[in-house]
Amino acid sequence: DAGITQSPRHKVTETGTPVTLRCHQTENHRYMYWYRQDPGHGLRLIHYSYGVKDTDKGEVSDGYSVSRSKTEDFLLTLESATSSQTSVYFCAISEGQATFYGYTFGSGTRLTVV
Amino acid sequence: ELKVEQNPLFLSMQEGKNYTIYCNYSTTSDRLYWYRQDPGKSLESLFVLLSNGAVKQEGRLMASLDTKARLSTLHITAAVHDLSATYFCAVDDNYDMRFGAGTRLTVKP
Repeated sequence: DAGITQSPRHKVTETGTPVTLRCHQTENHRYMYWYRQDPGHGLRLIHYSYGVKDTDKGEVSDGYSVSRSKTEDFLLTLESATSSQTSVYFCAISEGQATFYGYTFGSGTRLTVV
Repeated sequence: ELKVEQNPLFLSMQEGKNYTIYCNYSTTSDRLYWYRQDPGKSLESLFVLLSNGAVKQEGRLMASLDTKARLSTLHITAAVHDLSATYFCAVDDNYDMRFGAGTRLTVKP
């Protein structure tokens, strides 16, 4: 979507390897989020950021870490990928915590751990 | 813990028919969102409902919010094939937008 890009779009990796997904925004929004989408679960929050170097855990944070050194970039790292982390990962941004506009989502990254 | 439940999870309907998707949630939040997702695509914001009694309409879709009943509905009027997609409701819970499991809608001729 315009203003938010995710990379890579697809990735296949082996169990036990570290993986980093990138989310880049050009909207200067304060809040950024990482979600994973799995069938039957909707989207579940992994981690979120409310400013540079300000991050916190979401509902399913185990096995994931994040970093935000610049407003525009939010990185999601799988320290040691497992098959249970095979999923589609979405980044989202919002202007404020209580947003009047909902979130804007990136196009997603399909990650397969073999 | 906030829970968001949608039903039905799968919905197959004929063109021209009406139907309603239900979204129940367990918190007192008054901020509810509806999103649409086409296969293999990202999520698109449809409606933002920010108060009890809020009603929003866009084309053949109408969303409403009853915060006392903790219920939102997405009503489809005279369905057309282009409405085939997965619809998610989500509730804002203080930094954490919790999503329902989604309703996969298929509109058949």
